[in-house]
Amino acid sequence: DTGVSQNPRHKITKRGQNVTFRCDPISEHNRLYWYRQTLGQGPEFLTYFQNEAQLEKSRLLSDRFSAERPKGSFSTLEIQRTEQGDSAMYLCASSLPTSAKNIQYFGAGTRLSVL
Amino acid sequence: AQTVTQSQPEMSVQEAETVTLSCTYDTSESDYYLFWYKQPPSRQMILVIRQEAYKQQNATENRFSVNFQKAAKSFSLKISDSQLGDAAMYFCAYSEPSGAGSYQLTFGKGTKLSVIP
Repeated sequence: DTGVSQNPRHKITKRGQNVTFRCDPISEHNRLYWYRQTLGQGPEFLTYFQNEAQLEKSRLLSDRFSAERPKGSFSTLEIQRTEQGDSAMYLCASSLPTSAKNIQYFGAGTRLSVL
Repeated sequence: AQTVTQSQPEMSVQEAETVTLSCTYDTSESDYYLFWYKQPPSRQMILVIRQEAYKQQNATENRFSVNFQKAAKSFSLKISDSQLGDAAMYFCAYSEPSGAGSYQLTFGKGTKLSVIP
């Protein structure tokens, strides 16, 4: 168990460019979440996967955002035509199949800076 | 929508002393979960303590304990014998099962805790 891994840790891009982040959850965790955290705020929910199915999306997830989880393992979050307002920390979390504990384990995040 | 409020943006405590962080939440549900997460500077968020709403007994984890007042929708965190390593942002979070099976977390804005040697 090596924890939730996120890559890259930092990404600097120019406005209008596309970026993609990767999240590798803890093995055997079938639930995967993406959150966004802006400076001075708590994380906000973006989307949820159970295995490979994307079952819930927040209103924060505009059309420029797309997330995938092929084969129910790692997940990617892509932002197209980035805007300065997209600058934030993007956090990934995973949890076990059973709801009994409902504990989410977080990765260290990808910090995005849009210039 | 559920909301979580942390009214103390910053707190400080002397090493070895006790500090209490406040959290209130708003929900119409009866089945839910409450959490305190710790986020050290530039490091990942880790779970400190978890409380199930149907349990009346307050959760405890070593030096960390909560005061869960369901009727008042209050969920405070008490840190006893504070240590330098406790310095971090602390987030209160709420979760309930959604129709899609998600237990997405709703976070407060956080309380920055400083520990004074």
